[in-house]
Amino acid sequence: EAGVAQSPRYKIIEKRQSVAFWCNPISGHATLYWYQQILGQGPKLLIQFQNNGVVDDSQLPKDRFSAERLKGVDSTLKIQPAKLEDSAVYLCASSKLNRARGATYEQYFGPGTRLTVT
Amino acid sequence: AQRVTQPEKLLSVFKGAPVELKCNYSYSGSPELFWYVQYSRQRLQLLLRHISRESIKGFTADLNKGETSFHLKKPFAQEEDSAMYYCALNGGATNKLIFGTGTLLAVQP
Repeated sequence: EAGVAQSPRYKIIEKRQSVAFWCNPISGHATLYWYQQILGQGPKLLIQFQNNGVVDDSQLPKDRFSAERLKGVDSTLKIQPAKLEDSAVYLCASSKLNRARGATYEQYFGPGTRLTVT
Repeated sequence: AQRVTQPEKLLSVFKGAPVELKCNYSYSGSPELFWYVQYSRQRLQLLLRHISRESIKGFTADLNKGETSFHLKKPFAQEEDSAMYYCALNGGATNKLIFGTGTLLAVQP
């Protein structure tokens, strides 16, 4: 099966500009995640969708970040305006719908988008 | 607070030597733990999870609730094991993953 697709792979912008990332999950995966991975750190969840509804966005900086998942398939993550500290790799992941804790499905990760804010 | 700690940023061993990558967690409740691996120029992928209690590529990890640890072990390291390893914790009701900072394993020939 095709894996999680992300684009672009690399993006360089100046601070205060806006940027958008796109993710296409594995077909049939109801749950979609966006993670931010700053250099030297592990991935940190920004937002989690189940179908086209938001399940968790507690760590999303909502004053500048937004995300949507129209029709429960593809998703976009936007940053407007960008700050220097937003420089990171943005990872998209997807999984089947988790129905019970302790039996969670594997998350499949995309290749990531490396964002550099200058 | 829910937290995963990987104390070593880099672990360098020789081929054939035993490997132990340390992971400690903080979680109130029954934890669900994972090891993810990222090989050079590849995607992050699941290596193993504690509920499976299986060995993958010779790696095993045992959940020790008393010590709140989930260390990853392999008796004889291979050069192809060189990668970045992340320990992760299921964060609760939404099944989000909380990752540690990762350990880079370098297996020398």
